[in-house]
Amino acid sequence: KNEVEQSPQNLTAQEGEFITINCSYSVGISALHWLQQHPGGGIVSLFMLSSGKKKHGRLIATINIQEKHSSLHITASHPRDSAVYICAAAIQGAQKLVFGQGTRLTINP
Amino acid sequence: EAQVTQNPRYLITVTGKKLTVTCSQNMNHEYMSWYRQDPGLGLRQIYYSMNVEVTDKGDVPEGYKVSRKEKRNFPLILESPSPNQTSLYFCASSLWVGANEQFFGPGTRLTVL
Repeated sequence: KNEVEQSPQNLTAQEGEFITINCSYSVGISALHWLQQHPGGGIVSLFMLSSGKKKHGRLIATINIQEKHSSLHITASHPRDSAVYICAAAIQGAQKLVFGQGTRLTINP
Repeated sequence: EAQVTQNPRYLITVTGKKLTVTCSQNMNHEYMSWYRQDPGLGLRQIYYSMNVEVTDKGDVPEGYKVSRKEKRNFPLILESPSPNQTSLYFCASSLWVGANEQFFGPGTRLTVL
């Protein structure tokens, strides 16, 4: 079993829909990162969380430390949100990130 | 502009021909790392460095070498590339791995024939 699991692996939705991507982890962490990878490959950091909730524009990230679970929400989704979303756990006491497998999101017009 | 640069962006080579992928950051970051990304396997850490002259193995270090002689540079060396090292490679940097934003390079697509 992977230390970091994401669901769903693939998600297709219509423009305007509310999107939720989930990330569960089984280890102690110092932070949880959400990353975005567009077709063409570049990876951009969206959020870094150690507790609570963060919001940036239409994107919201939450984390529940007790349940070892984080979610990324996109409100009013748009075709330009189509990308792979990756969660990554910064392992407590170790100098490493462990990545989920990624969620491929497609937003149709 | 704060950035991580990698070169080359694309490389096709043959088995056994030594190559180096360069990585440089201009943010004075302590932590740098190399990852490979393969379909179905996600991102996996190859090597990381916490500071100059301090490097350590990640999850998939076999067949790779790194060095950190200067804070800004962290080259990835493949002494004798093999076809199973065909992959998309990313360099990343941050102030510290845990609770700091990660900055990724644009990626290097390597094909070993």
